[in-house]
Amino acid sequence: DVKVTQSSRYLVKRTGEKVFLECVQDMDHENMFWYRQDPGLGLRLIYFSYDVKMKEKGDIPEGYSVSREKKERFSLILESASTNQTSMYLCASADGGEKLFFGSGTQLSVL
Amino acid sequence: DQQVKQNSPSLSVQEGRISILNCDYTNSMFDYFLWYKKYPAEGPTFLISISSIKDKNEDGRFTVFLNKSAKHLSLHIVPSQPGDSAVYFCAASVYNTDKLIFGTGTRLQVFP
Repeated sequence: DVKVTQSSRYLVKRTGEKVFLECVQDMDHENMFWYRQDPGLGLRLIYFSYDVKMKEKGDIPEGYSVSREKKERFSLILESASTNQTSMYLCASADGGEKLFFGSGTQLSVL
Repeated sequence: DQQVKQNSPSLSVQEGRISILNCDYTNSMFDYFLWYKKYPAEGPTFLISISSIKDKNEDGRFTVFLNKSAKHLSLHIVPSQPGDSAVYFCAASVYNTDKLIFGTGTRLQVFP
């Protein structure tokens, strides 16, 4: 089974902090994605990556950056956390098709 | 601008009956559609998909119907079971891109 592991289930951070969300997949997938899930808004794509050191902006990249130094690891970075970034963050990977495999999510609260 | 819409935030169905979840889209370039199911405290999991060259795809109790002229798809679950209680997201993509656009989700509750 594909496993996508997100390093934290819950995080509480203060406004202005730099936040790192880590994601690791074990199936040698080329593509990795970061989404956030908010009530009434569904899942919205923040960033994605087709290959190591490559990244593409999704629909809501403002306030975020990403890093993909190794194929299996895709990190989401909040440069200066704000309260409107309180959300459920979901990482996913795919082998080139549309079928995504998701991690369990990180619930981030920014106070 | 929501390109994929699920207008019913919730649905309640009795066990054994049919559940019908609906999804509308606006982008005529979408050509592949998927349904994902999400339980609390878990990530979404793939359920079923359909290509735009088809109008129906079936997998056990789950059937997805696509009406391209109406830009509408639906997921039918027959018979519904309590374990089907979850949030269901529809998603769409344009051919040869791996970028999925998700709907807002519908919470299905199946009661005994």
